[in-house]
Amino acid sequence: NAGVMQNPRHLVRRRGQEARLRCSPVKGHSHVYWYRQLPEEGLKFMVYLQKENIIDESGMPKERFSAEFPKEGPSILRIQQVVRGDSAAYFCASSPQRRGGSTDTQYFGPGTRLTVL
Amino acid sequence: DQQVKQNSPSLSVQEGRISILNCDYTNSMFDYFLWYKKYPAEGPTFLISISSIKDKNEDGRFTVFLNKSAKHLSLHIVPSQPGDSAVYFCAASLFGNEKLTFGTGTRLTIIP
Repeated sequence: NAGVMQNPRHLVRRRGQEARLRCSPVKGHSHVYWYRQLPEEGLKFMVYLQKENIIDESGMPKERFSAEFPKEGPSILRIQQVVRGDSAAYFCASSPQRRGGSTDTQYFGPGTRLTVL
Repeated sequence: DQQVKQNSPSLSVQEGRISILNCDYTNSMFDYFLWYKKYPAEGPTFLISISSIKDKNEDGRFTVFLNKSAKHLSLHIVPSQPGDSAVYFCAASLFGNEKLTFGTGTRLTIIP
């Protein structure tokens, strides 16, 4: 399977614990995006990363949330001191390097469903 | 502020007929539009896209129409098949900005 991989698929945490969500992009894709979907809502953009750089984090909550995409290994979305309102589906997407300013299609992973007890 | 709106939460269509899903947007700076299909417990799957320089794009059974003056796009599926039953999201982006703004989705049910 050469698509976007996310793990774990399901994650249960108690309030105050940390959640780490992993995303491996499509092989050869250098752009990674994280989106969050609350129940009965559409996907909301959180952050856009390239290797070792955060390009746009305008959708990230100011506290407790962080993301990285290291030179080697998967992208990580980290949520510290989780609260019940963090319960959602978190989707990662990837796209290839842009050429000539054109917009490239984003391909999504299956998501991680986070439940905070 | 919901910049991309899908006003029909659900739609039922008979197998073999045409399905028409609608999407409205408020930001006239959006210049690239996409449709995604999503099954339960899976990620969105890319279907078709259209640039603002076009008003129509076709791919097999799927056609997307863009009306810039009305800030409206629609997805036509013909003929509709049972496997098309899913939630459909439209999304939009600004030139030079990678982030997608999604609508809230329309649940399409194809009746055999």
